[in-house]
Amino acid sequence: QQQVKQSPQSLIVQKGGISIINCAYENTAFDYFPWYQQFPGKGPALLIAIRPDVSEKKEGRFTISFNKSAKQFSLHIMDSQPGDSATYFCAASDNSGYSTLTFGKGTMLLVSP
Amino acid sequence: GAGVSQSPSNKVTEKGKDVELRCDPISGHTALYWYRQSLGQGLEFLIYFQGNSAPDKSGLPSDRFSAERTGGSVSTLTIQRTQQEDSAVYLCASSLKGVTIKAFFGQGTRLTVV
Repeated sequence: QQQVKQSPQSLIVQKGGISIINCAYENTAFDYFPWYQQFPGKGPALLIAIRPDVSEKKEGRFTISFNKSAKQFSLHIMDSQPGDSATYFCAASDNSGYSTLTFGKGTMLLVSP
Repeated sequence: GAGVSQSPSNKVTEKGKDVELRCDPISGHTALYWYRQSLGQGLEFLIYFQGNSAPDKSGLPSDRFSAERTGGSVSTLTIQRTQQEDSAVYLCASSLKGVTIKAFFGQGTRLTVV
């Protein structure tokens, strides 16, 4: 049973455009929702995270939007740049981030110059 | 080192052979995790070590998989009698005091079973 569903599998965006990646979860015990960025040959790195008591969190060009009632959250990358081309994973954890992570299947983002 | 170090970076093995994958966590990190990343399947949790507590082995896919952590530092993931479906990238991560979302990942070991 896949507990975190991520879409799309791949995404091509022009430079300067907005990249949007969506995730949906099933387990209502999840209470921490991080996003990870992974470049080829590297391990995932934490990009931004949100708790369900807020509906939006912004860090630079990256924004997480969270809809608790719909059990959905999304990553928006504003002014997308070729250097943002990577695989992005959403994840979820319960116990305030002290439990192991459940990951989505990932989205390969390509930002064309 | 400054980050999580995994070795080898790549491993090709014949079906049926045993393999050992090594992880050196960040110094001082008490929590260590192993994940498996298969093509198009995201990251799958395998096992979690936290200090001196019994490890959480709930993610190990079969009894061919085992892991140990010696002296609260280095960890070894062992896969016995490897199968082709074991081919994947095996990622190790470590964190302070089990704060999972602040874990730092290594670059992974790409295992290919032929």
